[in-house]
Amino acid sequence: AQSVTQPDIHITVSEGASLELRCNYSYGATPYLFWYVQSPGQGLQLLLKYFSGDTLVQGIKGFEAEFKRSQSSFNLRKPSVHWSDAAEYFCAVGPISGGYNKLIFGAGTRLAVHP
Amino acid sequence: EAGVTQFPSHSVIEKGQTVTLRCDPISGHDNLYWYRRVMGKEIKFLLHFVKESKQDESGMPNNRFLAERTGGTYSTLKVQPAELEDSGVYFCASSPRRRNTGELFFGEGSRLTVL
Repeated sequence: AQSVTQPDIHITVSEGASLELRCNYSYGATPYLFWYVQSPGQGLQLLLKYFSGDTLVQGIKGFEAEFKRSQSSFNLRKPSVHWSDAAEYFCAVGPISGGYNKLIFGAGTRLAVHP
Repeated sequence: EAGVTQFPSHSVIEKGQTVTLRCDPISGHDNLYWYRRVMGKEIKFLLHFVKESKQDESGMPNNRFLAERTGGTYSTLKVQPAELEDSGVYFCASSPRRRNTGELFFGEGSRLTVL
């Protein structure tokens, strides 16, 4: 079955500390992988995506993610967290075909940032 | 450019009542998707429109849910009669059919509480 697992429901880090959010997927075909963020009162916003090529992808707001096929993982990282990064983060996988996208999401990781 | 807008942002109804959620996609986006998140779990796909046509409604829970997209513009999702397990956040997203970058553009969601 196709699925996305985000093992950490809730993570708390101090401002300025590094961050890694885990994502593991189960998908039968070549995956297209995404990270979305939902800040309070806002919709989900795309942080970054991986389709092919370089397995380390850069996104907005200083985030990056690394695709590891052997581990079926697509972990999100940021070297120094800012208070404004407090939000909920969702990993997603899916096909991109026929001009549309049908994504499978994980349950999300809620990030709290201590000053 | 206006983003995806959803109305209402929060609806509280009693079991057995009817609720209609509305989504206005980004202008020009042929693809429109409905997703749902129940009680902090995964965001799950409900259905997908291309213009006014339903392309995939494999995620619709049961026949109490009816989605429409008249004229290929805004969409409505009606729940009739509502049950307790329908509580959750309903997200709408849109994307262009041509020059598809893989990104879904999400609204802020409509939170439904069934008492």
